[in-house]
Amino acid sequence: QKEVEQNSGPLSVPEGAIASLNCTYSDRGSQSFFWYRQYSGKSPELIMSIYSNGDKEDGRFTAQLNKASQYVSLLIRDSQPSDSATYLCAVTSGNTGKLIFGQGTTLQVKP
Amino acid sequence: ETGVTQTPRHLVMGMTNKKSLKCEQHLGHNAMYWYKQSAKKPLELMFVYNFKEQTENNSVPSRFSPECPNSSHLFLHLHTLQPEDSALYLCASSQHDRSGANVLTFGAGSRLTVL
Repeated sequence: QKEVEQNSGPLSVPEGAIASLNCTYSDRGSQSFFWYRQYSGKSPELIMSIYSNGDKEDGRFTAQLNKASQYVSLLIRDSQPSDSATYLCAVTSGNTGKLIFGQGTTLQVKP
Repeated sequence: ETGVTQTPRHLVMGMTNKKSLKCEQHLGHNAMYWYKQSAKKPLELMFVYNFKEQTENNSVPSRFSPECPNSSHLFLHLHTLQPEDSALYLCASSQHDRSGANVLTFGAGSRLTVL
């Protein structure tokens, strides 16, 4: 089992729709969860962090965490073509604090 | 200069060459990292330095040799590489604190091609 698992996609949504990106993780001791966005040919940039169960909203982005189900998601409301990128889920190891990345989900927002 | 800068942005080398990748961070962070990003694979952590001391070597082959002369600079020395080492090498920095919730800031990456 992969430590951090994401569907590689591509996930295709029409402009203005809600994009839902999902991530599961295997380490029950994980405490910190992050979403990074990576445009093609660019480096990852942090867009959301979440540390406790529930929802965290920042503009059009909402991160959701469910530690019991070992599940973290990212919702993007009113998706724009500029949101087209690869979204990387990252989780800290409960033992080492090391950041473990998923392989990323490619999102395509079509005008 | 701001953030994390990496040079060179692109590098092509033969298997017998010796080259180095350079990373510099201007954020006052105390931890620096090398990651490898290959197509269709998750980011792979290679090395971690906290306060200039190497704290992580993630089973990386000896043909990759890191150097951290101070908390702002990080090098990756490359020697006798293989074609499968072709990838994007990302440098990152963070402020390591007791909570362990390290938020990484990445550089733009060095795209390496080994012929």
